[in-house]
Amino acid sequence: AQSVTQPDIHITVSEGASLELRCNYSYGATPYLFWYVQSPGQGLQLLLKYFSGDTLVQGIKGFEAEFKRSQSSFNLRKPSVHWSDAAEYFCAVGQSYNTDKLIFGTGTRLQVFP
Amino acid sequence: DVKVTQSSRYLVKRTGEKVFLECVQDMDHENMFWYRQDPGLGLRLIYFSYDVKMKEKGDIPEGYSVSREKKERFSLILESASTNQTSMYLCASSLSGTGGNYEQYFGPGTRLTVT
Repeated sequence: AQSVTQPDIHITVSEGASLELRCNYSYGATPYLFWYVQSPGQGLQLLLKYFSGDTLVQGIKGFEAEFKRSQSSFNLRKPSVHWSDAAEYFCAVGQSYNTDKLIFGTGTRLQVFP
Repeated sequence: DVKVTQSSRYLVKRTGEKVFLECVQDMDHENMFWYRQDPGLGLRLIYFSYDVKMKEKGDIPEGYSVSREKKERFSLILESASTNQTSMYLCASSLSGTGGNYEQYFGPGTRLTVT
């Protein structure tokens, strides 16, 4: 069965530092991959998505992610973190070709220190 | 601007009560979803609807039922609320695709407390 792993439960960075959030998936074919962000008390907002083509995907708020098939990874990056980026981040993968359901990781909580 | 709305942000109910959570989307999406979010467990799918009156069980359907009588509205029903159903409930919608190739749009969530 497909699965998504976010190995880091909680990450703390200083404002202005670079950020990388890890996501690993298991899927037999080329997956549909997503990163969502959830600010406190809010629903989830899409940051970016990968379906095919260029393996480096640009998203909103200065985020990018790179699809690496050989490592089954889709890590989220940002070169310089802002205090407003403090939130919870979820990676998700399309479950299979015959359903529109997604599988979500357990999330990574990002804390930003000034 | 696309929108998914949920009937309540916060809800407090007593054990044994019947609870209705409503979700409305204005994007004419075929798919609608109900998730439960708990710390450390991420989002778990309760039910999925891919068309009016059509539904599919998710990973944790026990203790829940759903109703979709109109395309824009998807209701989650707790037949007899229990304390272990205290959680954040998120509704989402998406276009119908081929294997999740369309993003899901989320509502703001309902934080339900059962006492």
